Amino acid sequence: GAGVSQTPSNKVTEKGKYVELRCDPISGHTALYWYRQSLGQGPEFLIYFQGTGAADDSGLPNDRFFAVRPEGSVSTLKIQRTERGDSAVYLCASSLGGGGAEETQYFGPGTRLLVL
Amino acid sequence: AQSVTQLGSHVSVSEGALVLLRCNYSSSVPPYLFWYVQYPNQGLQLLLKYTSAATLVKGINGFEAEFKKSETSFHLTKPSAHMSDAAEYFCAVSKTGGFKTIFGAGTRLFVKA
Repeated sequence: GAGVSQTPSNKVTEKGKYVELRCDPISGHTALYWYRQSLGQGPEFLIYFQGTGAADDSGLPNDRFFAVRPEGSVSTLKIQRTERGDSAVYLCASSLGGGGAEETQYFGPGTRLLVL
Repeated sequence: AQSVTQLGSHVSVSEGALVLLRCNYSSSVPPYLFWYVQYPNQGLQLLLKYTSAATLVKGINGFEAEFKKSETSFHLTKPSAHMSDAAEYFCAVSKTGGFKTIFGAGTRLFVKA
């Protein structure tokens, strides 16, 4: 079946602009995660959704970052007033849900964001 | 708080040689431990995970890892490296009852012919 998909694959924007990054999880997966991976680093947790609600958003770096999942499937990560330091690969992952942190997460290919 | 340290940002081995990628973790509660692989231009893929069952965990592509509580380690091994194993490998930790997964900085594995 189809895996996790993310769009766009690449996004170039200017400092101060607003961007939206989209994630389509595997069908039937109720858990969804966003991570940020900077160059030379491992993925950094941003937020976790169980269904429509954000169960843990402790990784969002500041209030410029926001994520939604209104119908419990597709999720959008929104970044306001982008800064050059936001440049990174943004990864989305999904899992079946209900099993907590031990569940296998399936990752998308990521969106590479470059803020000029 | 939980953390992961991967020793060696780059590891180079010859084809057919033993692969050993080191991972040490810190956790105040029993952890779940994972190894992921990232091939060039591909998404992260789970190699194996430890969830408090057997301490020796076997994964895909001939990889295995052993959970050693006394050493707080979860090193990844493969008896014989193949050219196709060249990739970046990430160790990760999470905890019972939690949702957040903490990743190490990664180790890039090079395999020489």
